[in-house]
Amino acid sequence: DGGITQSPKYLFRKEGQNVTLSCEQNLNHDAMYWYRQDPGQGLRLIYYSQIVNDFQKGDIAEGYSVSREKKESFPLTVTSAQKNPTAFYLCASSASESETQYFGPGTRLLVL
Amino acid sequence: AQSVSQHNHHVILSEAASLELGCNYSYGGTVNLFWYVQYPGQHLQLLLKYFSGDPLVKGIKGFEAEFIKSKFSFNLRKPSVQWSDTAEYFCAVNRGDTGRRALTFGSGTRLQVQP
Repeated sequence: DGGITQSPKYLFRKEGQNVTLSCEQNLNHDAMYWYRQDPGQGLRLIYYSQIVNDFQKGDIAEGYSVSREKKESFPLTVTSAQKNPTAFYLCASSASESETQYFGPGTRLLVL
Repeated sequence: AQSVSQHNHHVILSEAASLELGCNYSYGGTVNLFWYVQYPGQHLQLLLKYFSGDPLVKGIKGFEAEFIKSKFSFNLRKPSVQWSDTAEYFCAVNRGDTGRRALTFGSGTRLQVQP
């Protein structure tokens, strides 16, 4: 069953803590993306990766970090430098020759 | 930088009414255009897309959209909505003339269809 999985579904962060959100895809897609969704603001790009071992900052990268060591995995770390991390985080992927992005179910991050 | 505007933030319709949701983008070069839908509790799904060719594109569930290059618009339409169309709709754009495939999204339109 092909698709994109994200875990956990809900994540709680304490002040000063780094947390990592998982994104895995078995679609054999080269490109992967992280977006943040806030009410009334749509989706905003955090980071993207067009190929393994390479990634670029998106529009709101401050306070976040990523890695792309494997084609199927693109984890996102929300660092303590991100002062307003409460949001819904969506991971997506696309094939190298296609512009269509497919989205995972999302992770909701809440701050304690 | 490109931007996408969705002017209708919340739309309420009765079943069988016609729907048109506006989408305008700012980039003047080649663009790829998308409408995504997010039903309550479900993944963001692709509704339809335009890359080139016929500017009137048809998507799933009876939706269609028309690309009007001179107006920088890609409005979504459906002749007769159903209660099951209640969802949030996002217009998105990426540049067709560069390597960056990341999308720029509009702020979304929440559609509520009353039975």
